[in-house]
Amino acid sequence: NAGVTQTPKFQVLKTGQSMTLQCAQDMNHNSMYWYRQDPGMGLRLIYYSASEGTTDKGEVPNGYNVSRLNKREFSLRLESAAPSQTSVYFCASTPLGQSYNEQFFGPGTRLTVL
Amino acid sequence: AQTVTQSQPEMSVQEAETVTLSCTYDTSESDYYLFWYKQPPSRQMILVIRQEAYKQQNATENRFSVNFQKAAKSFSLKISDSQLGDAAMYFCAYRSYDSNYQLIWGAGTKLIIKP
Repeated sequence: NAGVTQTPKFQVLKTGQSMTLQCAQDMNHNSMYWYRQDPGMGLRLIYYSASEGTTDKGEVPNGYNVSRLNKREFSLRLESAAPSQTSVYFCASTPLGQSYNEQFFGPGTRLTVL
Repeated sequence: AQTVTQSQPEMSVQEAETVTLSCTYDTSESDYYLFWYKQPPSRQMILVIRQEAYKQQNATENRFSVNFQKAAKSFSLKISDSQLGDAAMYFCAYRSYDSNYQLIWGAGTKLIIKP
């Protein structure tokens, strides 16, 4: 089991460029999440997908879009990158039926927007 | 809205000694979950310990234990016999009982282990 994988690990963009962050999990989890982590702050939820075919906004969705391609994959797209989107991005997943919903995290993507 | 506060940006402890990391939270709910996650320099977020609010008994996982004070809305993490591998950022997080998505996170505490 690879767990939760993210690609790429690092990325540098220019303002206005677009890109998609990829996330996949092989644990048959139902729910998936995208977070951003900024210095001095905890993680903030961007979007989540409670199950295949559904997506919902989290705390900071502006400037992002997501796609739940299938049960395994959940991608995050930046249509027109801005310096304020410089951050570390984490994908996470949660199995169904677990009362406390432990979230399993990927290794993160460090994104810099110039 | 719920909030989570970690008032210690950085803590240091001598190897083999005990350290306590603080976390307070604000909520009007009676049922919820609390978590401590560890983030080493590799950036991987790892669950350390969890506590269900309806349980009065404090959770323990080997050298890690919590002091859960529901009335005071306090959830501290105690690490006994500190090891060099414990050096990391530690995050406290809150989740509502009936929510399957929203974790509310504290800003984190950087733990330094002195050899």
